[in-house]
Amino acid sequence: DIQMAQSPSAMSASVGDRVTITCRASQDIGNYLAWFQQKPGKVPKRLIYASSTLQSGVPSRFSGSGSGTEFTLTISSLQPEDFATYYCLQHYRYPLTFGGGTKVEIK
Amino acid sequence: EMQLVESGGGLVQPGGSLRLSCEASGFPFSDYYMDWVRQAPRKGLEWVGRIRPKANSYTTEYAASVKGRFTISRDDSKSSVFLQMNNVKTEDTAVYYCAYVGGYVGGTSAVDSWGQGTLVIVSS
Repeated sequence: DIQMAQSPSAMSASVGDRVTITCRASQDIGNYLAWFQQKPGKVPKRLIYASSTLQSGVPSRFSGSGSGTEFTLTISSLQPEDFATYYCLQHYRYPLTFGGGTKVEIK
Repeated sequence: EMQLVESGGGLVQPGGSLRLSCEASGFPFSDYYMDWVRQAPRKGLEWVGRIRPKANSYTTEYAASVKGRFTISRDDSKSSVFLQMNNVKTEDTAVYYCAYVGGYVGGTSAVDSWGQGTLVIVSS
C-alpha cells in the first residue's frame, strides 16, 4: 500500500498567518492527490484535487502544489473558519490512502 | 446536486454482522463508482472500499483491514449502495460515510460528495 506521511500532525497558528501542510507519499503518485478539510462533527470537504486544482467554491487563499512524492497545501492568510483538520488522499493506486491529518488550532 | 443518505448503523456485537445502506439522488447513479469511507472516534479518515458501475462489471476494491469481511454491493434500480459487514471487530467502530470520492486510478472528477455518515459501534 502507498503510505501518506502528513506533517505536522498538529499546529497552532494565528488569524492572518500563512500555513503550510505537507504530505509525502511512499512512492511516486504523479499528481493523483487531493486535500480535504474537516471541521468537528462535520463531513469532510474537498479543497484541492489533482494536486493543485481548486475545488469550485473554495476560497482562493487555499492552494496546492507538488507532484511525485511531495505535496503541499498552503493557506495564504488563515481565517477563523479555517481552523479544522486537513487530510491528503492519494488515488494513484488501490487501496486509496489518506494521510494521518493535520489539526490546525488557534494560537 | 449529489445527495447521499446513509442508514443502518447501530450497535453490533463482536463477530456479528450489519448492513449499511446509502441512497443516492441528484445524479446518474448507475454511471458512477461509489465509495465507503470510515472514521473511528477521534481518529483520521480511512477509505474502506469502492464499487464500480455496471460498465466496469460492478468490480470492487477494498482496504486490507476489511477485505474478506466486508462486501460492497449496489442496486442501480434503487440508486443504492450497500456495505455488508461480517465478523465485525471492535476496531470497526466508526462513522461510516457513503461517498463519491472524486479520484480514481488514472484520473480525477471535478465532483466529490459525501453523505452525513452513520455510526457503527461494535461492543459486547
